[in-house]
Amino acid sequence: EVQLVQSAAEVKKPGEALRISCKGSGYGFTSYWISWVRQMPGEGLEWMGQIDSSDSYTKYNPSLQGHVTISVDKSISTAYLQWSSLQASDTAIYYCARTTYTGRNSGNLYYFDNWGQGTLVTVSS
Amino acid sequence: DIQMTQSPSSLSASVGDRVTISCRASQNIDTYLNWYQHKPGKAPQLLIYGASSLQIGVPSRFSGSGSETNFTLTITSLQPEDFATYYCQQSYIIPPWTFGQGTKVDIK
Repeated sequence: EVQLVQSAAEVKKPGEALRISCKGSGYGFTSYWISWVRQMPGEGLEWMGQIDSSDSYTKYNPSLQGHVTISVDKSISTAYLQWSSLQASDTAIYYCARTTYTGRNSGNLYYFDNWGQGTLVTVSS
Repeated sequence: DIQMTQSPSSLSASVGDRVTISCRASQNIDTYLNWYQHKPGKAPQLLIYGASSLQIGVPSRFSGSGSETNFTLTITSLQPEDFATYYCQQSYIIPPWTFGQGTKVDIK
């Protein structure tokens, strides 16, 4: 069974650093990208970025680039999302998602077929 | 960025109703369109990929259609477990992949 298990909820102060994790199991971890998706309070889903689990190549949402870092440790099948300095506006639920694809003549179709349970991050002074 | 607009933003329906949710892309995305169901406190779940392909394990009462800029998610006979928020998502151009704002389906 494919599983993505995320780290526990966090409460932090503005300016603090944080790293949350997402551990994959039940599949070939390095054969898939991992994406991070956030849901801010009362809002919808927003794609933050992704990492190729085999070579750590990353792509970020331009609206967020520079504020977060996505990394992976393939030796333990774990992806990470980290901040060096949190802001109150980072308060959200963060989901990791396995990104898979179906081949097409016009280019691969990508979608998020398995998701973690979410990590609530609360940033408050 | 490609903007995804869903309508309606919310709807009230009864068990057994047929429900239709629309999603419009700001430019042609062919059929690079996916649908997800999200319940509070749970992980989102993939329902439909490629506009019309049903994900394994998803009940056949869910179906998707459309191409280019206009897409539809249909639930033929709403069940109690279907009350949730539904999101469309384009995977035509990255970055970024973008979601619609969501359609909340609640009990009438």
